[in-house]
Amino acid sequence: AQSVTQPDIHITVSEGASLELRCNYSYGATPYLFWYVQSPGQGLQLLLKYFSGDTLVQGIKGFEAEFKRSQSSFNLRKPSVHWSDAAEYFCAVGAGDSNYQLIWGAGTKLIIKP
Amino acid sequence: ETGVTQTPRHLVMGMTNKKSLKCEQHLGHNAMYWYKQSAKKPLELMFVYNFKEQTENNSVPSRFSPECPNSSHLFLHLHTLQPEDSALYLCASSREGQSEQYFGPGTRLTVT
Repeated sequence: AQSVTQPDIHITVSEGASLELRCNYSYGATPYLFWYVQSPGQGLQLLLKYFSGDTLVQGIKGFEAEFKRSQSSFNLRKPSVHWSDAAEYFCAVGAGDSNYQLIWGAGTKLIIKP
Repeated sequence: ETGVTQTPRHLVMGMTNKKSLKCEQHLGHNAMYWYKQSAKKPLELMFVYNFKEQTENNSVPSRFSPECPNSSHLFLHLHTLQPEDSALYLCASSREGQSEQYFGPGTRLTVT
């Protein structure tokens, strides 16, 4: 069955430190991969996406993610976090053209220590 | 207005009330979605509309009734809800044939 796993429910990082949020997926074909961010009381905002091509993708707010097919992973990274990055982050997998459904991870809540 | 808007942002209703949630997208997309987001649970897809036609209904109870009069507007009609229906209801849209979805800010629903 298709699934997305975000192993960390919470992550605490000091402001200015680097960040890596993990995402693993189980999917039969080449997936479309997404990271979204949700600030408290808000909807989800698309950070970045991978459809094909270069496996290292750049997103908004200084985030990047790397698709590793051999590890079925799409981890999100940022070299130096800011207090405004405190939010919940969701990884999602999509089938592409003929399927409108995304499979969602449970989310990772990022806490920033001053 | 740009993006995806949702009204109201907050709603408190009793179990015998009838209310509606509204979503509007200004992105020229053809597909629209309703999601339910509850605490400590993954995002749950409820309904999908593509070119005003419902293409997905993920076993949602009949007390939730969607309506899509055109590609820009989506409604969720609510009646005789239960307290466990309290959640954040998110609307999203996408271009036809693409998985990339854009979300509204959500309606925080509390059923008393």
